[in-house]
Amino acid sequence: GAVVSQHPSWVICKSGTSVKIECRSLDFQATTMFWYRQFPKQSLMLMATSNEGSKATYEQGVEKDKFLINHASLTLSTLTVTSAHPEDSSFYICSAEGTSVGNEQFFGPGTRLTVL
Amino acid sequence: SQKIEQNSEALNIQEGKTATLTCNYTNYSPAYLQWYRQDPGRGPVFLLLIRENEKEKRKERLKVTFDTTLKQSLFHITASQPADSATYLCALKNTGNQFYFGTGTSLTVIP
Repeated sequence: GAVVSQHPSWVICKSGTSVKIECRSLDFQATTMFWYRQFPKQSLMLMATSNEGSKATYEQGVEKDKFLINHASLTLSTLTVTSAHPEDSSFYICSAEGTSVGNEQFFGPGTRLTVL
Repeated sequence: SQKIEQNSEALNIQEGKTATLTCNYTNYSPAYLQWYRQDPGRGPVFLLLIRENEKEKRKERLKVTFDTTLKQSLFHITASQPADSATYLCALKNTGNQFYFGTGTSLTVIP
């Protein structure tokens, strides 16, 4: 199956700093990428949907100025958590889909963010 | 309001038995529904997809049904094994191209 990677897998940062998380589709072109957030023992919450070359569509309640999403190419999307605070600590997961891989959504391994 | 609910937070069954997980949704018109497996600290792994015009899908020991009248999907694991222990998530893709996940069911298969 198609492979999606995320980097870093784990990051600790100080409050007030910004953190960038990368999501890459390694062997297919991702026309759409999704960013999710997951709290312990809870399900995935969709944050935003991004299509290559256009602005991301954010879900209600998600601050677009706080969670900057860039989908500059068909294989890379980035999520930047700006001015991170402890309440932003979470597991962030991206997924990707593309026409060459049907309608399946392939997930990255996730990034654990801890804000001190 | 829109909801995707999975039958129980946790399900324990004996090895060899069939595990049945339920996914109910309200106020969605899904183009299709997917089931995923998630292990602790990892991203979800795709298992099966079923479209709105399909009643049933099978893959090895897995079976999924989809009833758009009841707004429900059932996910079955036959001849369950301890290695099947994980959290299972259902997800809907709506006509707006977004995916929404259910609350998840943690399955434990007891040897």
